[in-house]
Amino acid sequence: QKEVEQNSGPLSVPEGAIASLNCTYSDRGSQSFFWYRQYSGKSPELIMFIYSNGDKEDGRFTAQLNKASQYVSLLIRDSQPSDSATYLCAVKGGNSGYSTLTFGKGTMLLVSP
Amino acid sequence: DAGVIQSPRHEVTEMGQEVTLRCKPISGHDYLFWYRQTMMRGLELLIYFNNNVPIDDSGMPEDRFSAKMPNASFSTLKIQPSEPRDSAVYFCASSYHEKLFFGSGTQLSVL
Repeated sequence: QKEVEQNSGPLSVPEGAIASLNCTYSDRGSQSFFWYRQYSGKSPELIMFIYSNGDKEDGRFTAQLNKASQYVSLLIRDSQPSDSATYLCAVKGGNSGYSTLTFGKGTMLLVSP
Repeated sequence: DAGVIQSPRHEVTEMGQEVTLRCKPISGHDYLFWYRQTMMRGLELLIYFNNNVPIDDSGMPEDRFSAKMPNASFSTLKIQPSEPRDSAVYFCASSYHEKLFFGSGTQLSVL
C-alpha cells in the first residue's frame, strides 16, 4: 500500500513569511513528485513538480526533494493571504508501465494579513 | 482549451436513485481519471482510462459504481443505486505527460 503523509494543519503564517509544507512517502521507487493547491470549494491545481533530488524554484515557490529520506517539501516565500489553501502532495511510482498518482490528504495553509 | 468540463456541478438525490456524472477531458489528453474526495479519505482514485480503454478499476468501491468512456471526448461515472455514503465531491481529471488537470467537480449529496 503506497502512502503519502502530510500534516493536516492548519499551518498559520503571517503575510510575508516563508511557509514550509512537508510530505513523506512510502514507496522508495517513486520517481515523480507533484504539489497541487486546492482552494476551498475548488478543484486541485498543479503548481509544482520535481523529479530529481535537490531544489526546483518557480517564482515564490521552491520544491525540495530528498529521495534517500523519502521526503518532499514546498516552500512559499513572501506568503500572501491569497496563498491560503490546502496543499496536496502527490507521488507517482516508478514501476515499469504506467503508475498513477497517490495523493496525501493535504495541509491547510492560512496566511494572515 | 476550456479545460476539463464536468456536469452537473451539484447533484442532490434520494437514496436508491441512479446518478450519472459526466466529463469531457481536455482534447489530446490520453488518460482520464475519476476521483472521489471526502474529508475523511482525501482524494481516492476510482478508475482510469487510457485511450478510452479502462485500465484499472480497483478503486471502484462496489458494483454499484460503473464508468464508461465511449470516445476520446466523453466519459460517465454511474452510481446505481445511490446510497448516503456515496456523498462526496467527484472529480474527473485528464493528463498529458504525467500532469493532471482536474475538472471543477460534482458535489453529490445522497439523502
